[in-house]
Amino acid sequence: QVQLQESGPGLVKPSETLSLTCAVSGYSISSGYYWGWIRQPPGKGLEWIGSIYHSGSTYYNPSLKSRVTISVDTSKNQFSLKLSSVTAADTAVYYCARAKGSLQFDPWGQGTLVTVSS
Amino acid sequence: DIQMTQSPSSLSASVGDRVTITCQASQDISNYLNWYQQKPGKAPKLLIYDASNLETGVPSRFSGSGSGTDFTFTISSLQPEDIATYYCQQYDNLSPLTFGGGTKVEIK
Repeated sequence: QVQLQESGPGLVKPSETLSLTCAVSGYSISSGYYWGWIRQPPGKGLEWIGSIYHSGSTYYNPSLKSRVTISVDTSKNQFSLKLSSVTAADTAVYYCARAKGSLQFDPWGQGTLVTVSS
Repeated sequence: DIQMTQSPSSLSASVGDRVTITCQASQDISNYLNWYQQKPGKAPKLLIYDASNLETGVPSRFSGSGSGTDFTFTISSLQPEDIATYYCQQYDNLSPLTFGGGTKVEIK
């Protein structure tokens, strides 16, 4: 079955760039679907960061758009997130997920906690 | 942005009770409404998509209804394993995607 796994540094300094990768197994990204990033600050709700279509078209949350880049590497069957100029407010569990049909997210990765601190 | 108002923010019910959660969109989203279950320390899990379609493998005690701006999620008979936080999520042309604030369900 389709599985997703996030990876990247768990600690990022303020003003630096957060970089995460989502490795996909059990399905070829180039075959279709949107792929997305969602985050959840500790004890809070879910926030959509952005999504990328298998062709490379990207869609970002306007609240983060100036700082976000999502890219796809079909040769490695993975997609990535870069969030620049981070602050403590960007501390969250970051999830990657596949988006089907009406942009319902399924499945999700297990999530990775990224803490922004000096 | 389309705002999703989910209520209640928390509830406590007994095993076997019928539980209902509502989600109201700030504008018409047709049936582009999904429901997720999130257990502590875990990733969300898709339960219902397109307002009323049960995801494969999800128990039939879960159901969803509604269209336009008003949506309902129901657990027909609450089970101990249903303790979780539930979120609605709308899709309207990625403008952007937004989630409701969540409903924490506990056992009384």
